[in-house]
Amino acid sequence: GQNIDQPTEMTATEGAIVQINCTYQTSGFNGLFWYQQHAGEAPTFLSYNVLDGLEEKGRFSSFLSRSKGYSYLLLKELQMKDSASYLCAVKDSNYQLIWGAGTKLIIKP
Amino acid sequence: DVKVTQSSRYLVKRTGEKVFLECVQDMDHENMFWYRQDPGLGLRLIYFSYDVKMKEKGDIPEGYSVSREKKERFSLILESASTNQTSMYLCASRVSGSETGELFFGEGSRLTVL
Repeated sequence: GQNIDQPTEMTATEGAIVQINCTYQTSGFNGLFWYQQHAGEAPTFLSYNVLDGLEEKGRFSSFLSRSKGYSYLLLKELQMKDSASYLCAVKDSNYQLIWGAGTKLIIKP
Repeated sequence: DVKVTQSSRYLVKRTGEKVFLECVQDMDHENMFWYRQDPGLGLRLIYFSYDVKMKEKGDIPEGYSVSREKKERFSLILESASTNQTSMYLCASRVSGSETGELFFGEGSRLTVL
């Protein structure tokens, strides 16, 4: 079967760095997405990785290792507004998205 | 600003009622999707549509149907609501042929079936 694993919940301190991991086992791979979802709001696109390596976008970076079936989202200089759920999704061989259950990130002052 | 609008943020219905959830996007996107989101589970695809009048079953289509009569509008229909359809429903759209396939989501419709 197809599976995406992420930690259910993480806690970090304002100003610090946090890494949210995502491991996947899917039938084929055509890209990996990270979305951010604040409570009660729509998920919004953060990043897309299709090749191995690190993609940096401001305070957020996303890393992919296809051989290990692994990605992480790195958030630097954490702000209170970063408190949200972070969803990992993989595009499989049929170009369908398989979603993880999401990681709820709690930022403490 | 791109926008996906879902008609109702909160609905409460009774078992057996017919339920319509409407979604409108203003981005001229060809592809539209309906997902449900439940605690502890990833988003699950109910139905999707690649263009007007087209529809395809997703992973959990049972108990649902859809309608796409106009490009901008994609409706989800629960013919006879049941308590196990209590959930958050998310609509999304995407431009066809996009390199990344980024989805644009609506804010969701939280349905409670009593």
